[in-house]
Amino acid sequence: SYDLTQPPSVSVSPGQTATITCSGDGLAKYFVSWFQQRPGHAPVTVIFKDNQRPSRIPDRFSAAVSGTRVTLTISGVQAEDEADYYCQSVDISGAWRFGGGTKLTVL
Amino acid sequence: VQLVQSGGGVVEPGGSLRLSCEVSGFIFRDAWMVWVRQAPGKGLEWIGRIKSESDGGTVDYASPVKGRFFISRDDSKNTLFLQMNGLETEDTGVYYCTTALRWGQGSQVTVSS
Repeated sequence: SYDLTQPPSVSVSPGQTATITCSGDGLAKYFVSWFQQRPGHAPVTVIFKDNQRPSRIPDRFSAAVSGTRVTLTISGVQAEDEADYYCQSVDISGAWRFGGGTKLTVL
Repeated sequence: VQLVQSGGGVVEPGGSLRLSCEVSGFIFRDAWMVWVRQAPGKGLEWIGRIKSESDGGTVDYASPVKGRFFISRDDSKNTLFLQMNGLETEDTGVYYCTTALRWGQGSQVTVSS
């Protein structure tokens, strides 16, 4: 089982907006990151420190935190965005906590 | 920034393996480093973390691997290590080193008789 809750799947058409949620106790206390993982590849960090985007990540990726829920938003979804997405935070000891992952399907 | 992993392979239950993660492109000695694994068809699982020496070099482990896995670092070689002992079939998966911003390419570990 996973400490953070994500929907198993999200489907959108190209050009639409995908929204992936992540919920769990304590999310408002610690930074949240989001990782993208395409099949057969290592994860890639798309968001860190709640809403910061690494320079190599397109600006269509954004995230927001509201209480115990965080949301990853991908605007203008492209076929290459099809992947599994994981949210991650930490607990009071600093141990990482993961969501179970959300499979984004681009129709 | 690059994290290049080596090691891994097939081992029988009870055996040992050591993974390495050589980094470049950033100041390794200042980085807190993490190991994450992924069982076949499953999600990501945190294994443990080692702090920088300047922050005490403390190592913390997830419960399933505590006492069997050991994380260390050689700052002179910009390399992170994961020593895995007493391997179990449930340890099978792909192992990743990460700084949280960058990830290694992964190392396959298969525990099977």
